[in-house]
Amino acid sequence: AQSVTQLGSHVSVSEGALVLLRCNYSSSVPPYLFWYVQYPNQGLQLLLKYTTGATLVKGINGFEAEFKKSETSFHLTKPSAHMSDAAEYFCAVSRNNDMRFGAGTRLTVKP
Amino acid sequence: GAGVSQSPSNKVTEKGKDVELRCDPISGHTALYWYRQRLGQGLEFLIYFQGNSAPDKSGLPSDRFSAERTGESVSTLTIQRTQQEDSAVYLCASSKVSGRSGDTQYFGPGTRLTVL
Repeated sequence: AQSVTQLGSHVSVSEGALVLLRCNYSSSVPPYLFWYVQYPNQGLQLLLKYTTGATLVKGINGFEAEFKKSETSFHLTKPSAHMSDAAEYFCAVSRNNDMRFGAGTRLTVKP
Repeated sequence: GAGVSQSPSNKVTEKGKDVELRCDPISGHTALYWYRQRLGQGLEFLIYFQGNSAPDKSGLPSDRFSAERTGESVSTLTIQRTQQEDSAVYLCASSKVSGRSGDTQYFGPGTRLTVL
């Protein structure tokens, strides 16, 4: 069985500040890990994913995430927040076509 | 079309009525998924199709929910005798190759179901 925990249902940062959205997972086998973003009134779109290989994964819009097996974490970061980053972010873990999503973190960016 | 499409985009129904939600996946995608997203919550896995078969139905909330897929293309999610707790956004996603968990799932815009 696998599951995902996103710490913090709401995160607020100032424009230009570091964005850190936390995700921890549990999986009995090596997982595939994803971050999806949902902009207001839009569908989910993939930000980035980790399957194998390099543990630091770069995605779209300047986001990146690092798979840390020892910490069972896959936190999402962006060095400098932009107003357009305001959205809901979902972490997900997948194995054997069984994808489980976290509850989501709503990111607010203040001017 | 280039992406996953779903219809209708919005559906308002009365308690006890049946509803059908449709998903058109990306052409050539063999895997198709249905999720439910209640207000303010994460995505809840409902069912997964590999081709026209559904090897995993464990997420369906009750026997009022059913889904089918034909021609390895269109899928329909049917909710019978709708209840107010069924109100949610129902999301469909497809991926290129079934059986490979690392494949990206591409999501449709969802159907917002409101049961009065």
